[in-house]
Amino acid sequence: DPKIIQKPKYLVAVTGSEKILICEQYLGHNAMYWYRQSAKKPLEFMFSYSYQKLMDNQTASSRFQPQSSKKNHLDLQITALKPDDSATYFCASSQDRISNERLFFGHGTKLSVL
Amino acid sequence: GDQVEQSPSALSLHEGTGSALRCNFTTTMRAVQWFRKNSRGSLINLFYLASGTKENGRLKSAFDSKERYSTLHIRDAQLEDSGTYFCAAETSSGQKLVFGQGTILKVYL
Repeated sequence: DPKIIQKPKYLVAVTGSEKILICEQYLGHNAMYWYRQSAKKPLEFMFSYSYQKLMDNQTASSRFQPQSSKKNHLDLQITALKPDDSATYFCASSQDRISNERLFFGHGTKLSVL
Repeated sequence: GDQVEQSPSALSLHEGTGSALRCNFTTTMRAVQWFRKNSRGSLINLFYLASGTKENGRLKSAFDSKERYSTLHIRDAQLEDSGTYFCAAETSSGQKLVFGQGTILKVYL
């Protein structure tokens, strides 16, 4: 059974709309992350959260807003969607936010913005 | 389903020595990436290979799609090489990126 659940698996949106990507982890981890993989680009770090608090933000745009309603949830709200936002978004978690920790990844949400 | 088995899960190296990490794939993969996780949680991309080998400094990576594996060789390990290393493989359809579980590398004096 997957321990990190991302919903939906695929998502199609129109330019200018708003979407929320869901992530839940059942590993009892304290740190959660969002990464983005755009076509022909390496995986990019977006956010890290620890105990539901934002620790690091490498995303330039304020259109991307993580939301953590529970310790094991870290959703990603994206507003005013653009075609350049098309990518696969990966959620990940680790026990704590230190360097020598394994990261466990979800399977990703593939977002296509038309 | 598509799986990536990464080994070893943990590795300790004396400074100046070397070793190899390996990822085995259960299906044919189109390309592989290797990353190192830094202290902020960012995954630093080390290599992207669709085939063959690439070398960058003390790191060298190889990918054999037919034999379903990829390796990352580290030589002359330094303390700053410590961290968690991941491989991630693109499925043959290009629709999916499948990650290994990571190798925790510790380099000591």
